[in-house]
Amino acid sequence: EAQVTQNPRYLITVTGKKLTVTCSQNMNHEYMSWYRQDPGLGLRQIYYSMNVEVTDKGDVPEGYKVSRKEKRNFPLILESPSPNQTSLYFCASSLLGGSGANVLTFGAGSRLTVL
Amino acid sequence: AQSVTQLGSHVSVSEGALVLLRCNYSSSVPPYLFWYVQYPNQGLQLLLKYTSAATLVKGINGFEAEFKKSETSFHLTKPSAHMSDAAEYFCAVSESDSWGKLQFGAGTQVVVTP
Repeated sequence: EAQVTQNPRYLITVTGKKLTVTCSQNMNHEYMSWYRQDPGLGLRQIYYSMNVEVTDKGDVPEGYKVSRKEKRNFPLILESPSPNQTSLYFCASSLLGGSGANVLTFGAGSRLTVL
Repeated sequence: AQSVTQLGSHVSVSEGALVLLRCNYSSSVPPYLFWYVQYPNQGLQLLLKYTSAATLVKGINGFEAEFKKSETSFHLTKPSAHMSDAAEYFCAVSESDSWGKLQFGAGTQVVVTP
């Protein structure tokens, strides 16, 4: 089954404790992206990647890091989480170009609470 | 710069009634427009997309949207609401047809009452 898998789905942590949210896709998509969803704000892009070793900032990158060492994986790293990073996070992927461009496949989401 | 505005953060409709969700966009180039739906506790999934081939776009589950350049709008409609349509709906815009730099609206929560 074609899918984007995120882990963990739920996490409660404390301020300053580094954490990583993993994301993996099995569709051979070139494009991968992280979003955060907050009430009344919709989805805001954190980082995106157009291919292996190619990443760039989205609209709200502060406090986050990413890496793309393999095509299928795109982990999101919070080096020193703060309470304002409490949110629902989504990983998504798509093809670049053709009819599949902009047709994002989303993971099920990771709900993060930072105390 | 591209952006979308969704009018109404919550919409309540009766089962069998028309569903109308409003989206207006701002774009400096011809836009590519999308509607995504998010069911409870799930990620978003594509409902439909406009890529300039036709102004009236049909999507899944009986939804359709009409692109109106003069009004910079891309409203989503469904003639008859079903209980399973209860979800959050997001309008999104992209200025590129080759990669996924989407700008999402704030979302509209749809409640369907019996």
